[in-house]
Amino acid sequence: GNSVTQMEGPVTLSEEAFLTINCTYTATGYPSLFWYVQYPGEGLQLLLKATKADDKGSNKGFEATYRKETTSFHLEKGSVQVSDSAVYFCALSDLVDSSYKLIFGSGTRLLVRP
Amino acid sequence: DAGITQSPRHKVTETGTPVTLRCHQTENHRYMYWYRQDPGHGLRLIHYSYGVKDTDKGEVSDGYSVSRSKTEDFLLTLESATSSQTSVYFCAISETEETQYFGPGTRLLVL
Repeated sequence: GNSVTQMEGPVTLSEEAFLTINCTYTATGYPSLFWYVQYPGEGLQLLLKATKADDKGSNKGFEATYRKETTSFHLEKGSVQVSDSAVYFCALSDLVDSSYKLIFGSGTRLLVRP
Repeated sequence: DAGITQSPRHKVTETGTPVTLRCHQTENHRYMYWYRQDPGHGLRLIHYSYGVKDTDKGEVSDGYSVSRSKTEDFLLTLESATSSQTSVYFCAISETEETQYFGPGTRLLVL
């Protein structure tokens, strides 16, 4: 079945460092891809999404490009801040029994130190 | 932010007791979902609804039931709670069926 694999965390960076969180997927067809962020004690928030190959999703300085050839959707940010400390989830939208379901990776915790 | 509330936000219960969690939305979205979040597993779908009185099972539905009698409310019931159901439960809503918006979560501890 379809699945999402994320890099193991935690990822620890200093403020203003460059961030990459890897995400690869297995899917039949052409799913939409998402990044969600979960701040401590809160629910998940949609960070960005891409609906077709070569699309780039972006929000709050974060970017991810839908790469069909490498089945990847890596999350990047040029300069992280302490406030970016959170857990990041990659997900794909899977059509199952005529309904879409989100399939999530296991999450990557990011810790940004001042 | 999408108008989604969950109640209760925290609950401690004993093994074998019934538990009902409530998800309430003010967005009039058609689709509603219940997930559980456990370390190392990300989020896993328990049940979902695609309309009033229309529900279906997700990946980890055993031991759970749901009901949706109104567009705005989606209830998750643990008929007889077990320690393996200790988790954080999230409700989500969607209008497009692809992009989902999540509630703040309910932390459940089954002793």
